[in-house]
Amino acid sequence: AAGVIQSPRHLIKEKRETATLKCYPIPRHDTVYWYQQGPGQDPQFLISFYEKMQSDKGSIPDRFSAQQFSDYHSELNMSSLELGDSALYFCASSSGLAGVDTQYFGPGTRLTVL
Amino acid sequence: AQKVTQAQTEISVVEKEDVTLDCVYETRDTTYYLFWYKQPPSGELVFLIRRNSFDEQNEISGRYSWNFQKSTSSFNFTITASQVVDSAVYFCALSEAATSGTYKYIFGTGTRLKVLA
Repeated sequence: AAGVIQSPRHLIKEKRETATLKCYPIPRHDTVYWYQQGPGQDPQFLISFYEKMQSDKGSIPDRFSAQQFSDYHSELNMSSLELGDSALYFCASSSGLAGVDTQYFGPGTRLTVL
Repeated sequence: AQKVTQAQTEISVVEKEDVTLDCVYETRDTTYYLFWYKQPPSGELVFLIRRNSFDEQNEISGRYSWNFQKSTSSFNFTITASQVVDSAVYFCALSEAATSGTYKYIFGTGTRLKVLA
């Protein structure tokens, strides 16, 4: 079965650079979520989109922005990177608003900021 | 506020032992969902189970079983006859509704399980 695809899998950036993470949800899933997992931490919710509209926002820095495109893929844009942004970034997808559908997670993008 | 507590930071067992991972949650919602995910050393988050607040039946899937007790706000996970491949961090999560109708997860801090050969 198709899973959530994230690219790149690994990314190394310098401080103050920008980064773009991409997420391709499971086919027919219309909701995308982004989570950030710092070293030894639990995943923290950043932002979500339903049908290309932002649906919820968590502790996402103002330096980060995200959107969901017409084909339902999503991109997380991160600017003015800081050392503390080094983390594993997960994208998850689910389908619809009817109840709570299970979120299926991608393999994550490991971002290292030097 | 929604909260998930996994008090066990790390557990070590010898292969073939049974082990129970605890999860206690707090929520104001009358309808909510609980989940368990496994994060092996490779880093991905693997879905294990979902339970809604109206279904208190325990569930068994192979060597895995889950005990949901609404009265104590707990959703514990037991691995029977543990194997080395069970070594991972296990996260319990609780759904939290957004006004838009979507849900985000509130994760516990995770329990690292080490199964020794």
